[in-house]
Amino acid sequence: DGGITQSPKYLFRKEGQNVTLSCEQNLNHDAMYWYRQDPGQGLRLIYYSQIVNDFQKGDIAEGYSVSREKKESFPLTVTSAQKNPTAFYLCASSPRQGADEQYFGPGTRLTVT
Amino acid sequence: QQQVKQSPQSLIVQKGGISIINCAYENTAFDYFPWYQQFPGKGPALLIAIRPDVSEKKEGRFTISFNKSAKQFSLHIMDSQPGDSATYFCAAINAGGTSYGKLTFGQGTILTVHP
Repeated sequence: DGGITQSPKYLFRKEGQNVTLSCEQNLNHDAMYWYRQDPGQGLRLIYYSQIVNDFQKGDIAEGYSVSREKKESFPLTVTSAQKNPTAFYLCASSPRQGADEQYFGPGTRLTVT
Repeated sequence: QQQVKQSPQSLIVQKGGISIINCAYENTAFDYFPWYQQFPGKGPALLIAIRPDVSEKKEGRFTISFNKSAKQFSLHIMDSQPGDSATYFCAAINAGGTSYGKLTFGQGTILTVHP
């Protein structure tokens, strides 16, 4: 079964703790993306990666970090510096950078209290 | 100039009716306009998409109308069904550009179809 998996589906953390969200794809896509979704808002780009060992900041990168050590994996760390971390986080991939179609994972809902 | 403005924020339609969601953009470099459908707690899924060289694209009950001169595009859902109840996002991207083409999303429309 090809696709994008994100784990866990729900994640709870205390304020001040770093937390890492997992994203794996077996579509052999070069590009991967992280978005944040808040109620009543569209998707906002956090980070993206066009190839292994390379990644770029999106529109709202502050308080987040990523790595791309393997083609199929693009984990996102939400650090304690992120002021409003509670949100729905979506990972996506596309065959190449700038490709028109992006495929989304099922998302991780992070709640920080 | 990168914004995509979507309206309405929410829409209630009776079963069998037509749902219409509108989007407007500024960046004339956009060359691909997808619509995504998202059910609660799930990731968005590509529903239908259009390129600016055509004015309309139809797939089943879903139709995109595209007005290049007005820089507007819309999604029409014919014979709306309760199963169509979801959040719909329009988006735009400059997929043919040499620099990174960012997918820019509208704010989303929550569609509710009453039985």
